[in-house]
Amino acid sequence: GAVVSQHPSWVICKSGTSVKIECRSLDFQATTMFWYRQFPKQSLMLMATSNEGSKATYEQGVEKDKFLINHASLTLSTLTVTSAHPEDSSFYICSAKETSWHEQFFGPGTRLTVL
Amino acid sequence: GQNIDQPTEMTATEGAIVQINCTYQTSGFNGLFWYQQHAGEAPTFLSYNVLDGLEEKGRFSSFLSRSKGYSYLLLKELQMKDSASYLCAAIDSNYQLIWGAGTKLIIKP
Repeated sequence: GAVVSQHPSWVICKSGTSVKIECRSLDFQATTMFWYRQFPKQSLMLMATSNEGSKATYEQGVEKDKFLINHASLTLSTLTVTSAHPEDSSFYICSAKETSWHEQFFGPGTRLTVL
Repeated sequence: GQNIDQPTEMTATEGAIVQINCTYQTSGFNGLFWYQQHAGEAPTFLSYNVLDGLEEKGRFSSFLSRSKGYSYLLLKELQMKDSASYLCAAIDSNYQLIWGAGTKLIIKP
C-alpha cells in the first residue's frame, strides 16, 4: 500500500506557541490530503480537506485562522496550530489519496501536548 | 442527515469468531471502508466494499448489503493482537468519508 509519513511523532510545547506538523506522501501523488483530530477514546474528527494548490476546506466549528493548512505540493501538506492552548492537546492524524482512489492512507499521527 | 451506527464495544474470546455490524445512512453511496485502529496509533486499512456480497481476506471478511444500508466485519480465529477499535466509514455522493464512532473490540484469553 501507499505510505504516508508524519513529523513530528510527538511534540510538547508551551501555551501560546505555534506548532507545525508535516504530512508527506512517500510513494504517490497526494492530490487530496485530510487532517483529523482524535481525542482520547473518541473517534476521528475531520478538521479539513485540502487539495493541492487550493485553499483547504474546513469542517464546521474548526477555526481556519487557528489551524493553518498548506498543501503546496503533491507530496506535502502542513498543519500549523497557532497560539496553541492546552485544549488543543490531541492526536492529529493526516491521510492522503490520489484523485482516482477511494481509499485514504493514514500517517502515523502526531501527539500534541500543550502545557 | 448522514449517520453511521456501530456498537460501542464488544468482547470476544481468543480463537473465536466475532461479527461487528455497521449501518449507514448517507446521501448517495460510493462504498464502505473498515479500518483497524490500535490505541495510540493511526487507522490502518482493512477492507473496501462497493458491491453487495462478501469479500474475504485471510482471517478478516467484510460484507455489504446496499439495499439494507448494512455492512459487517467478520474476524475469525481471534488473536490477542486483534484487540483494537474497528472503524466503519461510508463514502457519500460527494466522495466524502462519513466515519462511525468505532467499535472497541476486547479479546479475552
